[in-house]
Amino acid sequence: DSGVTQTPKHLITATGQRVTLRCSPRSGDLSVYWYQQSLDQGLQFLIQYYNGEERAKGNILERFSAQQFPDLHSELNLSSLELGDSALYFCASSVVPGNTGELFFGEGSRLTVL
Amino acid sequence: TQLLEQSPQFLSIQEGENLTVYCNSSSVFSSLQWYRQEPGEGPVLLVTVVTGGEVKKLKRLTFQFGDARKDSSLHITAAQPGDTGLYLCAGPNAGGTSYGKLTFGQGTILTVHP
Repeated sequence: DSGVTQTPKHLITATGQRVTLRCSPRSGDLSVYWYQQSLDQGLQFLIQYYNGEERAKGNILERFSAQQFPDLHSELNLSSLELGDSALYFCASSVVPGNTGELFFGEGSRLTVL
Repeated sequence: TQLLEQSPQFLSIQEGENLTVYCNSSSVFSSLQWYRQEPGEGPVLLVTVVTGGEVKKLKRLTFQFGDARKDSSLHITAAQPGDTGLYLCAGPNAGGTSYGKLTFGQGTILTVHP
């Protein structure tokens, strides 16, 4: 158990819909990261928040957005869903993004878009 | 863009055999990490190598960082069925201040048969 909690574990929805994925980081961790894992692209960095503020952006689509709340939990919002958005979405956390970037991953949210 | 290429992509071996997984890049990385991911779970950090030429051992697993810090390898001695999983190498993106923004290799799926 990494200490990072993600909900829901599984989500099935239709194209065009909007979903919200939730992440609670490890106790004491200030940084939250979102990654997308698909068969063809592997693990791709989406976005990072540190203590409530956006810190870095990766290959995140404009249809996707995220935020980190004062209690440090984070939400990833995916809108106008397309079939290609079907993937595993992981949240990870760390205390501070140190030199070695050690991350602790949650178990992921599996999104299926039909 | 820094890329990490892993080989082989798939590895199916018998219990007791040795194996090596490679992670290569044309770019220099300040550090490289190896993660292991099991089905239904998030990646779990195995090791971080930081110094060129560094060798780290974790029980039957030996990790090496190339002298030029462009490549790494994972060697497993006397593999066991419990070693089955997806092995991922990852490195922090160059520049910027977000060391948690990792670039991941495509992964090596290891299956160890009893």
